[in-house]
Amino acid sequence: KNEVEQSPQNLTAQEGEFITINCSYSVGISALHWLQQHPGGGIVSLFMLSSGKKKHGRLIATINIQEKHSSLHITASHPRDSAVYICAVAQYGNKLVFGAGTILRVKS
Amino acid sequence: NAGVTQTPKFQVLKTGQSMTLQCAQDMNHEYMSWYRQDPGMGLRLIHYSVGAGITDQGEVPNGYNVSRSTTEDFPLRLLSAAPSQTSVYFCASTETWGKRETQYFGPGTRLLVL
Repeated sequence: KNEVEQSPQNLTAQEGEFITINCSYSVGISALHWLQQHPGGGIVSLFMLSSGKKKHGRLIATINIQEKHSSLHITASHPRDSAVYICAVAQYGNKLVFGAGTILRVKS
Repeated sequence: NAGVTQTPKFQVLKTGQSMTLQCAQDMNHEYMSWYRQDPGMGLRLIHYSVGAGITDQGEVPNGYNVSRSTTEDFPLRLLSAAPSQTSVYFCASTETWGKRETQYFGPGTRLLVL
């Protein structure tokens, strides 16, 4: 079993829909990261969480340490949100373990 | 700032050839790392460095060497390329600010080993 599991693997949504991507992990962590990989391949950091909730624009990330679970929400989705969303956990130091990613397609 | 730069963008090698993937960052970050990304799998750590002169192995280090002679540069060497090393390679540096961390990724190098 992978240490970091993401669901769903693939997600297709209509423009304007509320989107949720889930991440579960099986190890103790110091922090959890959400990343976005654009269709062209570039990877950007969205959030780093160690507790609670963070919001940036239409993106909201939450984490429940006791349940070892995090969610990434996108409100009012737009075709430009189409990308691969990656969850990664930091077990110690700066070393990260990555999930396989969720491929999101938002149709207009 | 140029951020994290990687060269080349694309490379085709024959089995047994060697090559170096270049990575540089101009943000004065101490922590740098190399990952490979394969279809259906998450990014996997190859090697990492916590500062100039210090490197260590990640999850999949076999067939790769690294060095860190300066804070800016972190090259990845393939000693004798194998088809199993066909992948997309990403270099990253990490900004640490108190308890906050932000990852900065290079644009990637697509490598095909025939």
